[in-house]
Amino acid sequence: DTEVTQTPKHLVMGMTNKKSLKCEQHMGHRAMYWYKQKAKKPPELMFVYSYEKLSINESVPSRFSPECPNSSLLNLHLHALQPEDSALYLCASSPQTRNTIYFGEGSWLTVV
Amino acid sequence: GQQLNQSPQSMFIQEGEDVSMNCTSSSIFNTWLWYKQDPGEGPVLLIALYKAGELTSNGRLTAQFGITRKDSFLNISASIPSDVGIYFCAGHSGTNFGNEKLTFGTGTRLTIIP
Repeated sequence: DTEVTQTPKHLVMGMTNKKSLKCEQHMGHRAMYWYKQKAKKPPELMFVYSYEKLSINESVPSRFSPECPNSSLLNLHLHALQPEDSALYLCASSPQTRNTIYFGEGSWLTVV
Repeated sequence: GQQLNQSPQSMFIQEGEDVSMNCTSSSIFNTWLWYKQDPGEGPVLLIALYKAGELTSNGRLTAQFGITRKDSFLNISASIPSDVGIYFCAGHSGTNFGNEKLTFGTGTRLTIIP
């Protein structure tokens, strides 16, 4: 089982809204990631959590706020986004025992 | 951020043809991963490579970890319509995925001509 589940699949939000993207995995993976992907481009790393601690922040604007409540859950809180933040947001996880990363199906975000 | 050189950028082939694509880097990697992404979906892991010279197959797909550790190749034999999509390579230079970045290639878009 290599399933990473993301909700919602689609989200439309205004620039003054506050919303959250959610990610869940029950594979016991201790590293979890948020990536942003624009059309026809590779995924770009935003944040990495290792053992529930933020280990990498790729200089992401503060309007994106990650949270790792426990080893199975990862959230991305969104506030005061801009239209250029519209993209596919991908959650991923990786096991300690093997260097691989498994992606979820993504959340399509549109900022209007 | 840093990206791997992946080629070709796009391919237009007929069903049944074989496909080859590759990624090259100026840096050494310890892990090479190959993903396929369908429109509107997340990348799906196809093959993972961990040792220089390693050759690994997954059905009609075969990938190799280059001897120099700076390149990797993916071959698809006898292509079928469901092979259509974007293929990404990704390399990792460290030993701990939780503390170091994965570097992605720019992608190869595969289209099958009827």
